[in-house]
Amino acid sequence: GDSVTQMEGPVTLSEEAFLTINCTYTATGYPSLFWYVQYPGEGLQLLLKATKADDKGSNKGFEATYRKETTSFHLEKGSVQVSDSAVYFCALETETGANNLFFGTGTRLTVIP
Amino acid sequence: EPEVTQTPSHQVTQMGQEVILRCVPISNHLYFYWYRQILGQKVEFLVSFYNNEISEKSEIFDDQFSVERPDGSNFTLKIRSTKLEDSAMYFCASSEARVRGAYEQYFGPGTRLTVT
Repeated sequence: GDSVTQMEGPVTLSEEAFLTINCTYTATGYPSLFWYVQYPGEGLQLLLKATKADDKGSNKGFEATYRKETTSFHLEKGSVQVSDSAVYFCALETETGANNLFFGTGTRLTVIP
Repeated sequence: EPEVTQTPSHQVTQMGQEVILRCVPISNHLYFYWYRQILGQKVEFLVSFYNNEISEKSEIFDDQFSVERPDGSNFTLKIRSTKLEDSAMYFCASSEARVRGAYEQYFGPGTRLTVT
């Protein structure tokens, strides 16, 4: 069935460090792929998305490229800030038309000054 | 900015009791969802709701669960007889429409349900 496997955390980085959070998926066809972020006390917010192979989603300095050949959608940021501390969720929406999302477990990122 | 709200933020209940989790979706949205996350596990889809009826549900959403939009603003999830394994964070979400990849689902902050 459709699923997302996400790098387990927690991840602790120093400010200005490079961030990668790995995400791979299993799905038939061409799902849409998403990264959501949850700041403390808030709901999940859409960070970026890609709807077809080789698309790059980007927002707030974060990027992820939809790689069909490796079934991956890794999240990257070149220089993290303390304010990026949050839980990051990778998710997919299947091609079939039902738009319920399949999520990973989430990765908690803590950025220290 | 409009947001999805959920109440309560934390609910403690005894096994076998009924609970109702409440959500207020964004006002012009038409599609509503419930997800849950058991501690340390994935966020799992439970049910989607449109035009006053369930449009999809997962295997988790058995007869113990029901959803309702009792008025024009609230969207509720009821668990009839809670079990220990229902302990989880429950997230409500809403979206304007339903075109694959095109309409963002907006999530609430979640209700942590603890069944003792």
